Amino acid sequence: EVQLVESGGGLVQPGGSLKLSCAASGFTFSSYWMNWVRQAPGKGLEWVANIKHDGSERYYVDSVKGRFYISRDNARNSLFLQINSLRAEDAAVYYCARDPNPGSLWPYYFDYWGQGTLLTVSS
Amino acid sequence: DIQMTQSPSTLSASVGDRVTITCRASQSISNWLAWYQQKPGKAPKLLIYDASNLESGVPSRFSGSGSGTEFTLTISSLQPDDFATYHCQHYKNYPRTFGQGTKVEI
Repeated sequence: EVQLVESGGGLVQPGGSLKLSCAASGFTFSSYWMNWVRQAPGKGLEWVANIKHDGSERYYVDSVKGRFYISRDNARNSLFLQINSLRAEDAAVYYCARDPNPGSLWPYYFDYWGQGTLLTVSS
Repeated sequence: DIQMTQSPSTLSASVGDRVTITCRASQSISNWLAWYQQKPGKAPKLLIYDASNLESGVPSRFSGSGSGTEFTLTISSLQPDDFATYHCQHYKNYPRTFGQGTKVEI
């Protein structure tokens, strides 16, 4: 059974930093593109970043470029999101989500999602 | 960026109703479109990919159609478990963007 379990959320002050983690199990993690998608309270979904199965490519939404860094550790079946220079608008539930096609050269949609971890930004 | 616009934002319906949700893209995305269902406090669940392909395990009352810039998600006979928010998402290029969501309520 595919499982994605996020952790690391919490209350952080504006300008602060945090690292989110996603532990994957039930599939060959090293074969899949992985994503972070966020949802601000009461709002829609926003794709944030993704990373190729071997870590050789990373993409970000413009609003987080230069502040967020996505990484992965295939030996530990883990995905990470380093978040720096936090802003109020970064407050959201952050979901880890898997791309559906193993070994794909190009990512597509999201077939499995974790339960999310909540990031609150407040002084 | 490609903008995705869903209509309506909220839809009131009854059990057994046929329900249609529309998603429009600001430019052609061919058939690079997915639909998700989300219930309060839960992660989204994939329903449809490539505009019209039903994800494994999803009931056949769900169907998707369209290509280019206009797409629809249809629920042929609404069931109690279907009251939720539905999101469309393109994956033609970066950034992947979602529609604002359509809430289906009683």
